[in-house]
Amino acid sequence: DAKTTQPPSMDCAEGRAANLPCNHSTISGNEYVYWYRQIHSQGPQYIIHGLKNNKTNEMASLIITEDRKSSTLILPHATLRDTAVYYCIVRVLNDYKLSFGAGTTVTVRA
Amino acid sequence: ETGVTQSPTHLIKTRGQQVTLRCSSQSGHNTVSWYQQALGQGPQFIFQYYREEENGRGNFPPRFSGLQFPNYSSELNVNALELDDSALYLCASSFGLAGGISYNEQFFGPGTRLTVL
Repeated sequence: DAKTTQPPSMDCAEGRAANLPCNHSTISGNEYVYWYRQIHSQGPQYIIHGLKNNKTNEMASLIITEDRKSSTLILPHATLRDTAVYYCIVRVLNDYKLSFGAGTTVTVRA
Repeated sequence: ETGVTQSPTHLIKTRGQQVTLRCSSQSGHNTVSWYQQALGQGPQFIFQYYREEENGRGNFPPRFSGLQFPNYSSELNVNALELDDSALYLCASSFGLAGGISYNEQFFGPGTRLTVL
């Protein structure tokens, strides 16, 4: 699996957009970018995934650069409940496992 | 629709003992994966079960074993517990096609916190 690089931590003000970067410079053409988050004392929660086009759902937006070497997860209006560890994962669609790294600890402050 | 549930919530064992953890998958899901999450780290894949058979395994020794039942619930068994086995054990379910391949997201349970003394 291609590895990802994320900043270990970041702060965000409540109500503002949170932009979470992820570097995946060795990504292969058939690998998707997945984002999960893990709120304290809970299991990971799926957020969004994409191949090359930008995606948006009710939780977030995913922006993937044209060369696919990096991506950004955008939480449009961060709330205190968005405080969590966010994991960026690259995965081929038919891979049965998720390979988690250390993730980014996001703290949303009032 | 019920989500993924795990039992027990917490468990304390001593070194050398054996433990069984349980997972009920989300309704409609036929694939269960187990992950181990040490404190401060991301989850690490242990193995996956699809239609009662193991169809993928991570870098874990054979003393980690599992079962999947006809109703797609699952058990994780760990023999000869070691101190390093202390972790949060997560179960995730998904709907898999042939071979357990899942194109959709995995839904995780809340985990079982295992402490080995």
